[in-house]
Amino acid sequence: GENVEQHPSTLSVQEGDSAVIKCTYSDSASNYFPWYKQELGKRPQLIIDIRSNVGEKKDQRIAVTLNKTAKHFSLHITETQPEDSAVYFCAASTLNSGNTPLVFGKGTRLSVIA
Amino acid sequence: DTAVSQTPKYLVTQMGNDKSIKCEQNLGHDTMYWYKQDSKKFLKIMFSYNNKELIINETVPNRFSPKSPDKAHLNLHINSLELGDSAVYFCASSLADSPQRVQYFGPGTRLLVL
Repeated sequence: GENVEQHPSTLSVQEGDSAVIKCTYSDSASNYFPWYKQELGKRPQLIIDIRSNVGEKKDQRIAVTLNKTAKHFSLHITETQPEDSAVYFCAASTLNSGNTPLVFGKGTRLSVIA
Repeated sequence: DTAVSQTPKYLVTQMGNDKSIKCEQNLGHDTMYWYKQDSKKFLKIMFSYNNKELIINETVPNRFSPKSPDKAHLNLHINSLELGDSAVYFCASSLADSPQRVQYFGPGTRLLVL
């Protein structure tokens, strides 16, 4: 089955700096890669996703890149703000079948220091 | 107007008891999931279910069983609760035929087994 590795497990940055979180996956059939943000005591919420037919996607200060050959994808947050502090999860799944659970990485706890 | 809801929000119970957690979604989705988040924040799929198939993570003890009375509900029954079952349980849902198949999470149920 799919295995997703995520690094680093914790990340501290100064406000205004950039943050990068990296993930690798094992199953070459995976073609959907969402990123979720989970604030303390809250539910995971989708912030951005990418499919394997695209190499990069950007939404304001957030971008995701995908290298399908190397089987890794990354989340980039620019101009970080204190409200970006949370746990971020990458995930992978296959969109080909209807019943496809997400396989999550172990999460990165991001702290943005004001 | 909550899209995915769970009850109860908190559940404290004794070892050996049987308990249920309810999940409902009003998004018109046809696929629902249960995830377990342990104390280290690791999110792991337990079950995924639509009207065609139930996929069970083989590591989930058979004390856990999903029950779906209709497409909008997927309840989780747990028999003979153990200390190690203490975790946050998240329900999620998605639409199988959607191009994006985004999964939306419920608010979580915090289970503490004493």
